[in-house]
Amino acid sequence: GAVVSQHPSRVICKSGTSVKIECRSLDFQATTMFWYRQFPKQSLMLMATSNEGSKATYEQGVEKDKFLINHASLTLSTLTVTSAHPEDSSFYICSAMDREYIQYFGAGTRLSVL
Amino acid sequence: QKEVEQNSGPLSVPEGAIASLNCTYSDRGSQSFFWYRQYSGKSPELIMSIYSNGDKEDGRFTAQLNKASQYVSLLIRDSQPSDSATYLCAVNQGNNNDMRFGAGTRLTVKP
Repeated sequence: GAVVSQHPSRVICKSGTSVKIECRSLDFQATTMFWYRQFPKQSLMLMATSNEGSKATYEQGVEKDKFLINHASLTLSTLTVTSAHPEDSSFYICSAMDREYIQYFGAGTRLSVL
Repeated sequence: QKEVEQNSGPLSVPEGAIASLNCTYSDRGSQSFFWYRQYSGKSPELIMSIYSNGDKEDGRFTAQLNKASQYVSLLIRDSQPSDSATYLCAVNQGNNNDMRFGAGTRLTVKP
């Protein structure tokens, strides 16, 4: 199957700092990438849909100024959590969609804000 | 009504048994169906895709699709403790980027 690389796998940061997470499709071009967050023992929650060359579409209740998404190329999307606070601590997962509309997931980033 | 519904479980089966996971969806026009497995603390990984009515087999896994009943299932034969995970059903509603996930069914295979 296709490979999606997500970095970093774990981040520990102080409250008020910004954190950037990268998501790369390694062996295919992804016009569309997705960002999810997941709290322990809960379902995946879609945060936003990222389309190459255009603005991301955010789900209701997700602050676009808080979670900045950039999809500058067909293989890279980034999520920046700005001014992170402890309540932003979560497991963030990206996925990339191939030409057959199949989503492949990155390994996830575990963010801990102190 | 949720767009993709799964029994949250937990579903517990003994080692060697068949585990049956079920999923229903609301959009009759849905065209692509997927099963993902998510181990605790890890991200989901794709295990099966199915597009046509009937059965699709891959090793110990069989996906079954019935579009008339808006029902897709996953059978795991000879279940192993390593199959213990949460299984997510996903439905693409029109061959576009609009994929909806169920909440997942937690499966435990007991030795």
